[in-house]
Amino acid sequence: DQQVKQNSPSLSVQEGRISILNCDYTNSMFDYFLWYKKYPAEGPTFLISISSIKDKNEDGRFTVFLNKSAKHLSLHIVPSQPGDSAVYFCAAKGREGGSNYKLTFGKGTLLTVNP
Amino acid sequence: NAGVTQTPKFQVLKTGQSMTLQCAQDMNHNSMYWYRQDPGMGLRLIYYSASEGTTDKGEVPNGYNVSRLNKREFSLRLESAAPSQTSVYFCASSDSGANVLTFGAGSRLTVL
Repeated sequence: DQQVKQNSPSLSVQEGRISILNCDYTNSMFDYFLWYKKYPAEGPTFLISISSIKDKNEDGRFTVFLNKSAKHLSLHIVPSQPGDSAVYFCAAKGREGGSNYKLTFGKGTLLTVNP
Repeated sequence: NAGVTQTPKFQVLKTGQSMTLQCAQDMNHNSMYWYRQDPGMGLRLIYYSASEGTTDKGEVPNGYNVSRLNKREFSLRLESAAPSQTSVYFCASSDSGANVLTFGAGSRLTVL
């Protein structure tokens, strides 16, 4: 059963507009959420994160919003740039016995920003 | 600063052959991980090592073995490769209990 869901496999936006990538989770034990960005032939790189004690975290053009009651988070990119074109993975983390934390990833959303 | 280095970057195997994917990190991280990425499946955890001397199964461990050789190195072994193991494999590392993983560039494996 998929615990982290990214229901949109792809998203296309115009340069300068807002990109909104969505993510839903089912496990209420998740307490930390991350977004990773992945270019072709490269490994994922960390983009932004949010703790469950917050509902918003902002870093430059990137903002992540967390709605705990809905078990939903979203990544906003404003303004979108062609260099933002990549696959974006949502990931969640929670304690699973002992002190080991593991990331659970969504399937990813391919963002294409058109010039 | 190299970060996480994986070798080889590409490998083609025949069904039944064995091979080992190597991973090394130079960030003095305690925890290391192996993920696989398949189309439409996202990243799935194969095995992880919370600290030197320990290894644990992840979501999809069948057909794989791992060795945490020392603090820097974490290898993934396929004893008898199957076409279902055709995938891109990513190694990652993190500080203990840290939230952010640093990934390597990936190893693309094709099993014919």
